[in-house]
Amino acid sequence: GAVVSQHPSRVICKSGTSVKIECRSLDFQATTMFWYRQFPKQSLMLMATSNEGSKATYEQGVEKDKFLINHASLTLSTLTVTSAHPEDSSFYICSARDLVTEKTDTQYFGPGTRLTVL
Amino acid sequence: GESVGLHLPTLSVQEGDNSIINCAYSNSASDYFIWYKQESGKGPQFIIDIRSNMDKRQGQRVTVLLNKTVKHLSLQIAATQPGDSAVYFCAENILIQGAQKLVFGQGTRLTINP
Repeated sequence: GAVVSQHPSRVICKSGTSVKIECRSLDFQATTMFWYRQFPKQSLMLMATSNEGSKATYEQGVEKDKFLINHASLTLSTLTVTSAHPEDSSFYICSARDLVTEKTDTQYFGPGTRLTVL
Repeated sequence: GESVGLHLPTLSVQEGDNSIINCAYSNSASDYFIWYKQESGKGPQFIIDIRSNMDKRQGQRVTVLLNKTVKHLSLQIAATQPGDSAVYFCAENILIQGAQKLVFGQGTRLTINP
């Protein structure tokens, strides 16, 4: 099946620093990738939709200047948490949609990145 | 038993028994539904999906039922095994302003007792 990877799997940073998380589709091309955030014991909340070659679309309440998204190729999207604060500590999960499959609404999820801001 | 409150709803079943996890969705225009399994510290894992033109779909040990009249989705897991212990999420695919998005339910923690 389609594989999505994330790097790093976990990161600890100091308050005020920026952190970049990568999401890669390993064996398929994805024009669209999605970024979710999941706080402990809660569900996944969509943050933004990342479109290759164009600006990301952010969900209501998500600051686009704080969560920078770049989708430079059909296999890579990055999420940069700028000036991270302890309240940004969360589990960040990406997903990708396969261009080629007939089920174009199927999303394949990455393993997640645990961000801890001290 | 099943409990709902401030914490994640939980369901405990004996190993070998069948389990049923329920989900209510919100948008009557949703056309595609998916069940995901999430183990601790991992991303969601696809289990089974169903489109709105169906009311039942079966996989290996799993069955999804869709009742569009009451906007209800259920996941049945037969002959549960310890490895089935996880949090299960339903998700509905919604088309909003030309963009398809997945909206996740709150999740249910399934615990299989030996």
